[in-house]
Amino acid sequence: ILNVEQSPQSLHVQEGDSTNFTCSFPSSNFYALHWYRWETAKSPEALFVMTLNGDEKKKGRISATLNTKEGYSYLYIKGSQPEDSATYLCAFRWGDKIIFGKGTRLHILP
Amino acid sequence: EAQVTQNPRYLITVTGKKLTVTCSQNMNHEYMSWYRQDPGLGLRQIYYSMNVEVTDKGDVPEGYKVSRKEKRNFPLILESPSPNQTSLYFCASSPITGTAYYGYTFGSGTRLTVV
Repeated sequence: ILNVEQSPQSLHVQEGDSTNFTCSFPSSNFYALHWYRWETAKSPEALFVMTLNGDEKKKGRISATLNTKEGYSYLYIKGSQPEDSATYLCAFRWGDKIIFGKGTRLHILP
Repeated sequence: EAQVTQNPRYLITVTGKKLTVTCSQNMNHEYMSWYRQDPGLGLRQIYYSMNVEVTDKGDVPEGYKVSRKEKRNFPLILESPSPNQTSLYFCASSPITGTAYYGYTFGSGTRLTVV
């Protein structure tokens, strides 16, 4: 079974600080990488779909980069706010399957 | 409103009693999929469907069946549920354009307990 690794598993960040975390995936046969935001008691919501090496996507204070040659993507959050507390998932398209990492749980401290 | 509708939200059942979890989307999406979420294991794909009458196994298909007779519906069937199928289940859909896949829209989840 293919592995999509996310690190760290959990992260505590002071409100106002910036942070980033990583998604690692196989660098061969790359099709697409997705990022999702999953708040407690809700369903995951799509943030970005990234397809090209060197892609950079931005949505407000959240941005992501993609390196398909080395098999990683970074998600950045600038100036963390309490509403950023959530689990951030990445998902790798492997053929017709979409395989998720276990997520990074982000806690914003007041 | 564009959405994926799953029912029921909560279900407690007994071992061996057949059940169906329904999933319907109103966005004309080609791709639909079922996942289960277990602590420490993340979201694992059970089955997926590229289009009507086209279904395939994900990583954890044992004990589950699906069908895709209409584009909008993708029910998950547990013929003989067992306690190890106690989990949180999500249905999700996305469009496909050529070889491009887009982000999922998820249903609200079904929490299943098998006793």
